[in-house]
Amino acid sequence: AQRVTQPEKLLSVFKGAPVELKCNYSYSGSPELFWYVQYSRQRLQLLLRHISRESIKGFTADLNKGETSFHLKKPFAQEEDSAMYYCALKGKGSQGNLIFGKGTKLSVKP
Amino acid sequence: DTGVSQDPRHKITKRGQNVTFRCDPISEHNRLYWYRQTLGQGPEFLTYFQNEAQLEKSRLLSDRFSAERPKGSFSTLEIQRTEQGDSAMYLCASSLATQDGYTFGSGTRLTVV
Repeated sequence: AQRVTQPEKLLSVFKGAPVELKCNYSYSGSPELFWYVQYSRQRLQLLLRHISRESIKGFTADLNKGETSFHLKKPFAQEEDSAMYYCALKGKGSQGNLIFGKGTKLSVKP
Repeated sequence: DTGVSQDPRHKITKRGQNVTFRCDPISEHNRLYWYRQTLGQGPEFLTYFQNEAQLEKSRLLSDRFSAERPKGSFSTLEIQRTEQGDSAMYLCASSLATQDGYTFGSGTRLTVV
């Protein structure tokens, strides 16, 4: 079965501390993975996708096929990073189905 | 273009009534998606269109749900004989066929009383 697991509902860190938001997936083959973010009172928006190997707002995510993980990392958290973060997997054989995890709420304290 | 627009923002309806939501995607996007999100969960896929063709439907989309995109532009999602379990945020998103990232709307929050 295809599944995305985000084990932490809430992650709280202090400003300037490193942050890692965990995402594990279940998928046979080569997955396409994404991170979406939703800031308070804003709409859900794409943060980054693994195929681009990009860094957005200081965040990076590396696909680890051996551990079936796609953790989101940032070396120094900022207060403006506080938001809800969702990991998503493109469904196998699908053009439209993104399978989302339940999300992790990141709180960055001053 | 102001992005993906959804209307209404909120809808309260009595159980058994029909409701219809509208989504206006980004004009050059030919793909349009509907998702549903309940409290504490991530968005769940309902259906997607490429132009006016409905190409995928989730098993979540019971026969009480119907979606259309008649001219390949805006889309409507109708729920007939609403049930309390239909209470959720209904999200619309759009993309270009060659893009992987979706642009989401602000959603329509449905409350069935």
